[in-house]
Amino acid sequence: DTGVSQDPRHKITKRGQNVTFRCDPISEHNRLYWYRQTLGQGPEFLTYFQNEAQLEKSRLLSDRFSAERPKGSFSTLEIQRTEQGDSAMYLCASSLKGWRQPNYGYTFGSGTRLTVV
Amino acid sequence: AQSVSQHNHHVILSEAASLELGCNYSYGGTVNLFWYVQYPGQHLQLLLKYFSGDPLVKGIKGFEAEFIKSKFSFNLRKPSVQWSDTAEYFCAVNRAGETSGSRLTFGEGTQLTVNP
Repeated sequence: DTGVSQDPRHKITKRGQNVTFRCDPISEHNRLYWYRQTLGQGPEFLTYFQNEAQLEKSRLLSDRFSAERPKGSFSTLEIQRTEQGDSAMYLCASSLKGWRQPNYGYTFGSGTRLTVV
Repeated sequence: AQSVSQHNHHVILSEAASLELGCNYSYGGTVNLFWYVQYPGQHLQLLLKYFSGDPLVKGIKGFEAEFIKSKFSFNLRKPSVQWSDTAEYFCAVNRAGETSGSRLTFGEGTQLTVNP
């Protein structure tokens, strides 16, 4: 058990459909991140939240992508009108604010693998 | 914007061989540095991290890394690899400081295959 849970593990959808993924971070972590990873590449940053506030969004996050963290706990990532290029592993991570703390670090979930057909 | 480069995309070693994986980053300010490992079918796990102090950092499973500021490098080493070290290894960096953005920037990854 990694402590960061993502649901579903796998999602196959038809092009043009909307999909939503969920991430449950480690409960005491106030920062939550979304990354995307394609085959043979390192994870690419999409967005992050501190509590319920979305503080930064990558230019990779097009208008079709939206993320929320309504109560500062779990987060959802929605992709509207999916395209084949959206096929990837979507990773969630959480951390504590405060990089000087000894236990600072990012804990990643197992990811949601999206396949758009 | 910071970037990370891992020069070796695929490394093949025999058990007991020594390992060194290269990582270079580009950013002019103070950074935090990380190495993550991803075993087949598993999530990313932290191997080690550098924030400040001793530039030689020891991590889990016998791994260590050395931060050389003048070379913008943070190479990962292990004196003797095992078959169970077969995995993908990612170097990552973020900007240090409480008020800076906390995004992690990853390198492309190095696939390590250890033959028994």
